[in-house]
Amino acid sequence: GDSVTQMEGPVTLSEEAFLTINCTYTATGYPSLFWYVQYPGEGLQLLLKATKADDKGSNKGFEATYRKETTSFHLEKGSVQVSDSAVYFCALRRNAGNMLTFGGGTRLMVKP
Amino acid sequence: GAVVSQHPSRVICKSGTSVKIECRSLDFQATTMFWYRQFPKQSLMLMATSNEGSKATYEQGVEKDKFLINHASLTLSTLTVTSAHPEDSSFYICSARGPGETQYFGPGTRLLVL
Repeated sequence: GDSVTQMEGPVTLSEEAFLTINCTYTATGYPSLFWYVQYPGEGLQLLLKATKADDKGSNKGFEATYRKETTSFHLEKGSVQVSDSAVYFCALRRNAGNMLTFGGGTRLMVKP
Repeated sequence: GAVVSQHPSRVICKSGTSVKIECRSLDFQATTMFWYRQFPKQSLMLMATSNEGSKATYEQGVEKDKFLINHASLTLSTLTVTSAHPEDSSFYICSARGPGETQYFGPGTRLLVL
């Protein structure tokens, strides 16, 4: 079945540091890939998405490129802020259906 | 943008009582909504898929008689936790399939059963 694997956290960075959160997936066909962010006590917000190979999703300084050859969708940001502290979830959705499969989540803590 | 609300945001109840959680799509119609459960520091687990006007589809291991789902309109789905017990305490999150086939998530409902 489908699965998503994320690097375990927590990831602790200083403000303005470079961020990478790894995400790899296993799925049949050509899934769409997503990153969601969850701030403390809140639900999930869509951060970015990519629907086909080599697409790059970007939003709020975050980027992720759909790499089919490595089945990866790593999240990156060049300079993190304290306000980026949250839990980040990588997810996939096979185009044949609408069910999202989530990774385990990675907690990011950014210190001033 | 597409907004999904949940009510209540937090509920505390006694063991044995039932609790209803509402999920509304505020500015779009959603024929499909999803209910997730999230345990502390864990990922979201899909509980069921709710389709307007038809019975919900439950994931394996989720008791449909325990977690009643009603999707009576294109903007409202409800999850009722019947005869709640402390092990049902969790964070329940709904999402709605909206524009562009994207899932939009509600802010979640934290349930504590004493």
